Amino acid sequence: GEDVEQSLFLSVREGDSSVINCTYTDSSSTYLYWYKQEPGAGLQLLTYIFSNMDMKQDQRLTVLLNKKDKHLSLRIADTQTGDSAIYFCAETGTGNTGKLIFGQGTTLQVKP
Amino acid sequence: EAQVTQNPRYLITVTGKKLTVTCSQNMNHEYMSWYRQDPGLGLRQIYYSMNVEVTDKGDVPEGYKVSRKEKRNFPLILESPSPNQTSLYFCASSSLAAGGNTEAFFGQGTRLTVV
Repeated sequence: GEDVEQSLFLSVREGDSSVINCTYTDSSSTYLYWYKQEPGAGLQLLTYIFSNMDMKQDQRLTVLLNKKDKHLSLRIADTQTGDSAIYFCAETGTGNTGKLIFGQGTTLQVKP
Repeated sequence: EAQVTQNPRYLITVTGKKLTVTCSQNMNHEYMSWYRQDPGLGLRQIYYSMNVEVTDKGDVPEGYKVSRKEKRNFPLILESPSPNQTSLYFCASSSLAAGGNTEAFFGQGTRLTVV
């Protein structure tokens, strides 16, 4: 079945890099996504990667995809206190149905 | 401004009292869905709709109903709410783009408490 797994919590110091990891099971997923949820808010799309890519960089964000191991990671360089949030990994799953399958979310705590 | 609007943001109700959470999007998206977010479980899909008058069950549909009479609106109905439906609910919409890129836009969430 379709399943996405993330660790629940990560704590880093301001200025360090953060790496949030995700594993997924559906190898037919066309796209994989990272969403950010700030306290009291909905989810906002941070970035996404097409399944035939290995890496995508967008300013402070780097997404790495290891399709063989079904492993996705999000690296945030120079982490700031404003990056404190819950980060969700999501995959599209089988077929173009519009459905997203989410991981449990990783709470990122950035200490000054 | 492109947005998904949910109402209400907060709701406390009693067991068995029917309620509706509204959702509206202004992006002419075909696909809309409802999720519930519970600690440690992430977001789980309740129902989805691929277009007007086309709805289907997600992963956790029990106790919920939806309708899609117009493209922009996708209300979530709890006919007889129970305490295990206490949760944070999100509505989302997306365009069914060719190639499968499902960039979803989310509402701000509705925190529901059933006592």
